[in-house]
Amino acid sequence: AQKVTQAQTEISVVEKEDVTLDCVYETRDTTYYLFWYKQPPSGELVFLIRRNSFDEQNEISGRYSWNFQKSTSSFNFTITASQVVDSAVYFCALNNFNKFYFGSGTKLNVKP
Amino acid sequence: ETGVTQSPTHLIKTRGQQVTLRCSSQSGHNTVSWYQQALGQGPQFIFQYYREEENGRGNFPPRFSGLQFPNYSSELNVNALELDDSALYLCASRPSSGTGSGEQYFGPGTRLTVT
Repeated sequence: AQKVTQAQTEISVVEKEDVTLDCVYETRDTTYYLFWYKQPPSGELVFLIRRNSFDEQNEISGRYSWNFQKSTSSFNFTITASQVVDSAVYFCALNNFNKFYFGSGTKLNVKP
Repeated sequence: ETGVTQSPTHLIKTRGQQVTLRCSSQSGHNTVSWYQQALGQGPQFIFQYYREEENGRGNFPPRFSGLQFPNYSSELNVNALELDDSALYLCASRPSSGTGSGEQYFGPGTRLTVT
């Protein structure tokens, strides 16, 4: 069975704090893709990153970084020095065999 | 802006009715997926079309059906509407060979309310 779990329903931080959003996935397949999306209050999902199952290198993009660990089936997302504009719902997703599985999302509130 | 548009923005239907939602993808995007997102939930994958053929489906009953057209537009049809069908419906497109996975571009969604 394929499944994505985002155990943190909602997180509140003060601006400039670092925050990590957790994502744990389940799949028996060896080939799959993992994603993170941002959904601001406007509602449109925004792509942040894609990782395939054979690439465990961590990635950094500006204030964003991702830690992919196959040993623990986790694909965590860290925002460094958070800003109010980072406030949104963040979704982790798994894709394989032309099907997609999204987690239930983590709502991030960044307060000034 | 992703270049993916959806219509209508909002829709109210009565239980038992049928509804058609529309999506227009970017030129060259030959793969389109549809999702149902209930309030406070993550998107649930309905199905995917590649070159006008369905090539992936989630756990949705047959009353959810779709069409994809050569002009990069697509439709989601839902028959015999139920109250639980009330949700935001999202389409997403990407240029791909139909397998594997590339970056998806999501539309703004259609908010369907069933009364």
